[in-house]
Amino acid sequence: NAGVTQTPKFQVLKTGQSMTLQCAQDMNHEYMSWYRQDPGMGLRLIHYSVGAGITDQGEVPNGYNVSRSTTEDFPLRLLSAAPSQTSVYFCASSSEAEAFFGQGTRLTVV
Amino acid sequence: GNSVTQMEGPVTLSEEAFLTINCTYTATGYPSLFWYVQYPGEGLQLLLKATKADDKGSNKGFEATYRKETTSFHLEKGSVQVSDSAVYFCALSRGSGGSNYKLTFGKGTLLTVNP
Repeated sequence: NAGVTQTPKFQVLKTGQSMTLQCAQDMNHEYMSWYRQDPGMGLRLIHYSVGAGITDQGEVPNGYNVSRSTTEDFPLRLLSAAPSQTSVYFCASSSEAEAFFGQGTRLTVV
Repeated sequence: GNSVTQMEGPVTLSEEAFLTINCTYTATGYPSLFWYVQYPGEGLQLLLKATKADDKGSNKGFEATYRKETTSFHLEKGSVQVSDSAVYFCALSRGSGGSNYKLTFGKGTLLTVNP
């Protein structure tokens, strides 16, 4: 059972480039979320989804887009990367009882 | 809005020492409370949780009690091991049981346990 799979694990982007962080879960959960982790800041919610076709903004949504076309996948898109988006990104898939996290994507924007 | 405040780290202990990591929260209604642990290079794992006042969550020797009167959820362990070295996050979600997809986290506390 793979749980939550994030790709890539590491990425370096130049300012202004775009990319998509992939997240897939095999637990048939309706709820999925994206967080960013910055030193001294804990994790902050970027976007979340309560089911296929339904997404909403979290605490820090600016600069990020999401979509949820299937239950399994919840990609996070950076349309024009900025140095302020340098961070570690975690995807989570949630049941009623627990949130399960992927291993993270470390993104550096230069 | 919701917020979580946990003690600043880093915390360094010797093996078999007693551990307390303080956590207090601000929230409307009756949130569920969690402790997550992050080992080096990994994602977060749920350590324990409590969904209503006076509940005690426990797992792997760690305990925390949901105290509504003091809005606290302090993490304790009687005897830490080197393998407990990790970053610990206190978190809350609004509503009992659900809303695990909208967690509010504290800043995290780095624990290092020396042999």
